[in-house]
Amino acid sequence: KQEVTQIPAALSVPEGENLVLNCSFTDSAIYNLQWFRQDPGKGLTSLLLIQSSQREQTSGRLNASLDKSSGRSTLYIAASQPGDSATYLCAVSLGGSQGNLIFGKGTKLSVKP
Amino acid sequence: DGGITQSPKYLFRKEGQNVTLSCEQNLNHDAMYWYRQDPGQGLRLIYYSQIVNDFQKGDIAEGYSVSREKKESFPLTVTSAQKNPTAFYLCASSIRPFGYGYTFGSGTRLTVV
Repeated sequence: KQEVTQIPAALSVPEGENLVLNCSFTDSAIYNLQWFRQDPGKGLTSLLLIQSSQREQTSGRLNASLDKSSGRSTLYIAASQPGDSATYLCAVSLGGSQGNLIFGKGTKLSVKP
Repeated sequence: DGGITQSPKYLFRKEGQNVTLSCEQNLNHDAMYWYRQDPGQGLRLIYYSQIVNDFQKGDIAEGYSVSREKKESFPLTVTSAQKNPTAFYLCASSIRPFGYGYTFGSGTRLTVV
């Protein structure tokens, strides 16, 4: 059964620091991997989607990498800002006829001014 | 603007009562999903639907029921058989299959009183 783990569970950094969030999954047979952001009491916002055939995706200050063979993904946030404070969730899609995602428990990020 | 609308934002349920959470999308997505989120936990799949008049159980379907009579609508009923319904419920839709274009609603917080 596919399991997704995110480390660390919580992270506090000063503004301006570059940081890395980690995601690992137990079964490398994924179709894609997505990173989402969730603000308190809100729904999820999609940040980046990496196809299983890709190594990385970039959007602004965010860069996500994927190493399918080792079952790992990282989300790199450059020059962090207080507005980046949120919970970041990693999820994998198993593909096939299903579109549902398997989620990690998230990393709660706090960026201090 | 296209998106997913969940209502109500807050819902209170008495013991032994059934309640229905609404989810409507105007994205023309084929697939729709219901997830449950508990504090400090990732999202867990309750039910999903790939097409009108068809739906499948997810990992935690017991005590819940759904219908998909229209492409735009995927309501979730929390029945009295669900013994621990207090949670944050998120509806999502995607382009079928494979989970592309995942879009989430803003959630319904259900509390048992």
